[in-house]
Amino acid sequence: NAGVTQTPKFRILKIGQSMTLQCAQDMNHNYMYWYRQDPGMGLKLIYYSVGAGITDKGEVPNGYNVSRSTTEDFPLRLELAAPSQTSVYFCASSRQGAQETQYFGPGTRLLVL
Amino acid sequence: KQEVTQIPAALSVPEGENLVLNCSFTDSAIYNLQWFRQDPGKGLTSLLLIQSSQREQTSGRLNASLDKSSGRSTLYIAASQPGDSATYLCAVRDFGNEKLTFGTGTRLTIIP
Repeated sequence: NAGVTQTPKFRILKIGQSMTLQCAQDMNHNYMYWYRQDPGMGLKLIYYSVGAGITDKGEVPNGYNVSRSTTEDFPLRLELAAPSQTSVYFCASSRQGAQETQYFGPGTRLLVL
Repeated sequence: KQEVTQIPAALSVPEGENLVLNCSFTDSAIYNLQWFRQDPGKGLTSLLLIQSSQREQTSGRLNASLDKSSGRSTLYIAASQPGDSATYLCAVRDFGNEKLTFGTGTRLTIIP
């Protein structure tokens, strides 16, 4: 199993551009999550999904959108990039939610200039 | 609002020593607590998960304890090795909440 994969690894965006961060898992996990990690700060939950077709907001959802059309994929969309969205983004998955271990991808480093 | 604190932010110890990392949380009504390891430029790897009904969990040289009443957890690492150098994060899940609240981590350096 590849586990949780994320693409791209690194991206530079100009203010106002849009992009999609890709996340996929091959463990047949129901739950998937997007976090952001800012320097010196803990991870913050952006969005999560409890299954295909079901998504919900986390702690810091503004400026982001998600969709979950399949069990495997959970892309994160930035519509109008802002410097405040410069961060490292992590995707994670778990079989039955936060009551079980979450498995993390390697992260996407995003720089908005 | 749940807040998770990890002190110190950084710790250096000689190889072979036993050490303890600390995690404190403000709201004791937690569902579980997890300890993660993060290597530079990498994602998080789950080390131990303690359910609220448990007092401790062990995996190899690692032992995590949980004291809900005092809002504390510790991660004990025995016989430290240079490969243990990483940032260690704790995270708690509150009841009725899918969100994990993370601490800011302790950056551990094991000196050969």
